[in-house]
Amino acid sequence: GAVVSQHPSRVICKSGTSVKIECRSLDFQATTMFWYRQFPKQSLMLMATSNEGSKATYEQGVEKDKFLINHASLTLSTLTVTSAHPEDSSFYICSAPRQHTEAFFGQGTRLTVV
Amino acid sequence: GQQLNQSPQSMFIQEGEDVSMNCTSSSIFNTWLWYKQDPGEGPVLLIALYKAGELTSNGRLTAQFGITRKDSFLNISASIPSDVGIYFCAGQRETSGSRLTFGEGTQLTVNP
Repeated sequence: GAVVSQHPSRVICKSGTSVKIECRSLDFQATTMFWYRQFPKQSLMLMATSNEGSKATYEQGVEKDKFLINHASLTLSTLTVTSAHPEDSSFYICSAPRQHTEAFFGQGTRLTVV
Repeated sequence: GQQLNQSPQSMFIQEGEDVSMNCTSSSIFNTWLWYKQDPGEGPVLLIALYKAGELTSNGRLTAQFGITRKDSFLNISASIPSDVGIYFCAGQRETSGSRLTFGEGTQLTVNP
């Protein structure tokens, strides 16, 4: 069964609104989680590293004020897409490493901004 | 971020055929992972490799961690239609913590 749960799986929002995506590790604690963005027919692009109890680390070119990350507990990280625009429409995926090496992914969230 | 060189980009095979794909890098990795992604889903871990030279099987899947620690391959034997999907390799460096570097993916199509 799934060891990382991501919610929601699909969301449609109006331009200018904010959307929150949750990522939970189900049977283990994760001090670090990762957020990816994936465009059609492409590989996963790392957006940021979520660190429990401290600030997230963002990859170059990713706007931290646009993509707010909160890792408030050892089993939950959230990604909030603020003031969403159509160009933010994409497939967002989180992952959490278990035992430092095996990374398990959430089911992904398809975001459509209209 | 930096990606691994994964090949082939796509494969079209007949059901029952064997499949092989590989990933290479100019730098050393201490862990190799292979994932399968179905449309609209997150990647699912297939096989994890931790030691150079390690050969690991998971049902009809076999993967190897290259001796040089710069490459890995995945074989699928006797393919079936449900093998269709995108396969990604991922590597983890000793200096990168739990952060992964991904290959570009191999799109596999299996014709019944």
